[in-house]
Amino acid sequence: QTVVTQEPSLTVSPGGTVTLTCASSTGAVTSGYYPNWFQQKPGQAPRALIYSTDNKHSWTPARFSGSLLGGKGALTLSGVQPEDEAEYYCLLYYGGVWVFGGGTKLTVL
Amino acid sequence: EVQLVESGGGLVQPGGSLRLSCAASGFTFSSYWMHWVRQAPGKGLVWVSRINGDGSSTSYADSVKGRFTISRDNAKNTLYLQMNSLRGEDTAMYYCARGVGATGVGYWGQGTLVTVSS
Repeated sequence: QTVVTQEPSLTVSPGGTVTLTCASSTGAVTSGYYPNWFQQKPGQAPRALIYSTDNKHSWTPARFSGSLLGGKGALTLSGVQPEDEAEYYCLLYYGGVWVFGGGTKLTVL
Repeated sequence: EVQLVESGGGLVQPGGSLRLSCAASGFTFSSYWMHWVRQAPGKGLVWVSRINGDGSSTSYADSVKGRFTISRDNAKNTLYLQMNSLRGEDTAMYYCARGVGATGVGYWGQGTLVTVSS
């Protein structure tokens, strides 16, 4: 069974920079896994942020960026805002099926 | 404006069936992959299934394979999820989402809640 692993929780100060990662139990994450990233706030539906590693949606704030880092998918938030406090999920493609990571709870403190 | 509106959720007994619908508007429905994603109360997101634009290609998570069937009616701009042999662990909010080509997920609906309980 394929497992996608994210940091359970991270804390960042307002205005700071934080990187969330997304690892695959099958090995290094490459562009062929098409990493996607989503933000979810309590009581709301998820909102897409990044697709295919580093592509932003039209509504994605400029402070969010996606990349590959050390064999993992990565989401970097630069100049974190209080409203960025949320749960973040990555999603990886495994040849026809997709698997979500367990989520990272980001606290802005 | 892209809109996805799920419906059909509710309370169902274990072993029962339910069909979810997702009404799409604001875009050319037949041109997009569509996905179902679920989230159990207090838990993370779980990808369930996807279907391509003309309905000829589908895939499923192992946890629902053989019990759930995804389909679409492009004339009605509607996505479906037929859920059979429902179990307690299928209790979740079910979201439909629009694909970004074949390599991503973009717009999401607000979800419909399915509760499997006797």
